[in-house]
Amino acid sequence: SQQGEEDPQALSIQEGENATMNCSYKTSINNLQWYRQNSGRGLVHLILIRSNEREKHSGRLRVTLDTSKKSSSLLITASRAADTASYFCATVTQGGSEKLVFGKGTKLTVNP
Amino acid sequence: ETGVTQTPRHLVMGMTNKKSLKCEQHLGHNAMYWYKQSAKKPLELMFVYSLEERVENNSVPSRFSPECPNSSHLFLHLHTLQPEDSALYLCASSQDLGVTTQYFGPGTRLTVL
Repeated sequence: SQQGEEDPQALSIQEGENATMNCSYKTSINNLQWYRQNSGRGLVHLILIRSNEREKHSGRLRVTLDTSKKSSSLLITASRAADTASYFCATVTQGGSEKLVFGKGTKLTVNP
Repeated sequence: ETGVTQTPRHLVMGMTNKKSLKCEQHLGHNAMYWYKQSAKKPLELMFVYSLEERVENNSVPSRFSPECPNSSHLFLHLHTLQPEDSALYLCASSQDLGVTTQYFGPGTRLTVL
């Protein structure tokens, strides 16, 4: 069953701009992860944020987590054409089966 | 790229064929997964193996048959598939079951005619 839902479904920006993608989920989580997928390829893990963390950074990526609103955001700063990909959030439910449940993803296009 | 390889990368098969997808991980992980990714649908978990034992089977039709001969290899045997089974099949591995990061292979693009 789908747990996370990304918003927007598609996002088109110019190189150099920031891109923000949001993820909402329904049940209490142990952690939330963001993955990236280039067209027709496998997923690459970007960042994991635990339920007791509020913000995490990795290079140009910034992830926030608001457990009271059951939402997370992924910010990519100073975007590049190479950031063009689909971005997925995935949750691990607290106290539930230990599997990742993915959303449908946000398709990001960064125009040069 | 990520230490998880999948073969073949592309497969076209008829509904009466039998074929197998292969996944190999070079990361020393104990858990392996099969996912199905169809257009405009979330990634669907199909099977989970931990230390070569199947721990999850998400109501997958019997025309998909997994096999895990050792902790580094995972197969998905296919027979009498339907056109709606056309999708990208992704293999992943993680150090252990649980709240850990998963590492994905590049996928096999399957087309069923």
